[in-house]
Amino acid sequence: EVQLVESGGDLVQPGRSLRLSCAASGFTFDNYAMHWVRQAPGKGLEWVSGISWNSANIGYADSVKGRFTISRDNAKNSLYLQMNSLRTEDTALYYCVKGVSGSYFSWFDPWGQGSLVTVSS
Amino acid sequence: QSVVTQPPSVSGAPGQRVTISCTGSSSNIGAGYDVHWYQQIPGTAPKLLIYGNSNRPSGVPDRFSGSKSGTSASLAITGLQAEDEADYYCQSYDSSLSGWVFGGGTKLTVL
Repeated sequence: EVQLVESGGDLVQPGRSLRLSCAASGFTFDNYAMHWVRQAPGKGLEWVSGISWNSANIGYADSVKGRFTISRDNAKNSLYLQMNSLRTEDTALYYCVKGVSGSYFSWFDPWGQGSLVTVSS
Repeated sequence: QSVVTQPPSVSGAPGQRVTISCTGSSSNIGAGYDVHWYQQIPGTAPKLLIYGNSNRPSGVPDRFSGSKSGTSASLAITGLQAEDEADYYCQSYDSSLSGWVFGGGTKLTVL
C-alpha cells in the first residue's frame, strides 16, 4: 500500500524558514514524479511545486518561485520542500502527492494526509 | 483567481444527475492538455476520480464520468447518493504558467 507521510509543519513567524519532508513507502520511489499541493483554510487546491523522478524537471507556482525549493532523495525515499521568506499567505495544509509515472506531466495519485504550516506573528 | 473556472456549488436530489463544468483557455485545456478530476470529502485528502479526461481508476463507480471538448471539460454524476457530497476539483497543465492548475473547486450538495 502506498503511504505518504508529511512532517515538518509548524507555526512560524513571517520571514522565517521551514522545511517539509515526505516519507514515501509502498512503491518504488525513484520511478515516480512527486509534487507538493497546498490548501489554505477553507480554500481550494493550489499546486506548489513538482519534481520528476530524476530531478531533471522541476517546476514552481509563481506564488512561491524564488522562495521555495523542492528536492528529493531517492536513496531515502523522501521528498522535501524548503520554504524561505514565509508569508502569512503561505498558511495552508501542504500535501505530498505522487505522480502516476516518472514524468512531471502525469496526474496525481495518491495524496498524503498533509502537514499544516501556519505563518503568523 | 484560478485560470480554470468551476461553479462554486451545485446541488441535486438523491438519484438525480448533476454536471460540473471546468472552463479553461488556449494555454491549458484548449492546448490539448488532459483534464483530471479529484474528489475531496470534508476533512480528508483529495482522491483521484477521473484521469485523462474520461477514465475512471479502479474502484470509482461508473456513476462518475468525464468529458472534454475545446477549452472545457465536465464531470457528470448520475444516480446521486448522499456519500457523493464533497468538493470536486478539475486539474490541467498550463503552458503559459509552466505548471499545474486546479479549478477553484465545486461543492456538491445532495439535497
